[in-house]
Amino acid sequence: DSGVTQTPKHLITATGQRVTLRCSPRSGDLSVYWYQQSLDQGLQFLIQYYNGEERAKGNILERFSAQQFPDLHSELNLSSLELGDSALYFCASSVLSSGGAYEQYFGPGTRLTVT
Amino acid sequence: EDQVTQSPEALRLQEGESSSLNCSYTVSGLRGLFWYRQDPGKGPEFLFTLYSAGEEKEKERLKATLTKKESFLHITAPKPEDSATYLCAVQADSWGKLQFGAGTQVVVTP
Repeated sequence: DSGVTQTPKHLITATGQRVTLRCSPRSGDLSVYWYQQSLDQGLQFLIQYYNGEERAKGNILERFSAQQFPDLHSELNLSSLELGDSALYFCASSVLSSGGAYEQYFGPGTRLTVT
Repeated sequence: EDQVTQSPEALRLQEGESSSLNCSYTVSGLRGLFWYRQDPGKGPEFLFTLYSAGEEKEKERLKATLTKKESFLHITAPKPEDSATYLCAVQADSWGKLQFGAGTQVVVTP
């Protein structure tokens, strides 16, 4: 158990709909990262927040948005869903290691199925 | 652009048959190279961070090494419970973004 929690575990929804995925980082971690894992693309970085502020953006679609709240939990909003958005969505939080890199610990993921 | 390439894509081993996985990378300003283990439908589990060429780290039957262009994950005398996908990732971004390889799927049979 990494200490990162994600809800829900599974989501099944229809094309055109909007969903919200939720993540709580490990106690004490200020950063939250979102990743998408699909069969053809592998694990892809979407967006990062640090203490409520957006810090880095990957290839995140304009239909997707995220935010981090004062209690440090984060939500990823996916709208106008398409079949291709079906994937596993992971959240991670990080700690700065003594070597100067951010070691990321991943949550269990949310499996999104768009029908 | 940062690139991470893992080989082989899949590896089938007999229990006790040692082997190595490869991770080749091109990145400007490597801050860290990471190895993760992922079981089907689960989140990646952190294994190691390597920072500079020549560094080695060990955990049970796993040993990770790093050169200037590659990292290797050696699995010594594997057991069936070592079956998983092993992911390699690099971090060059100052805020910690990870760039992942496609992974190596390892199956260890009794």
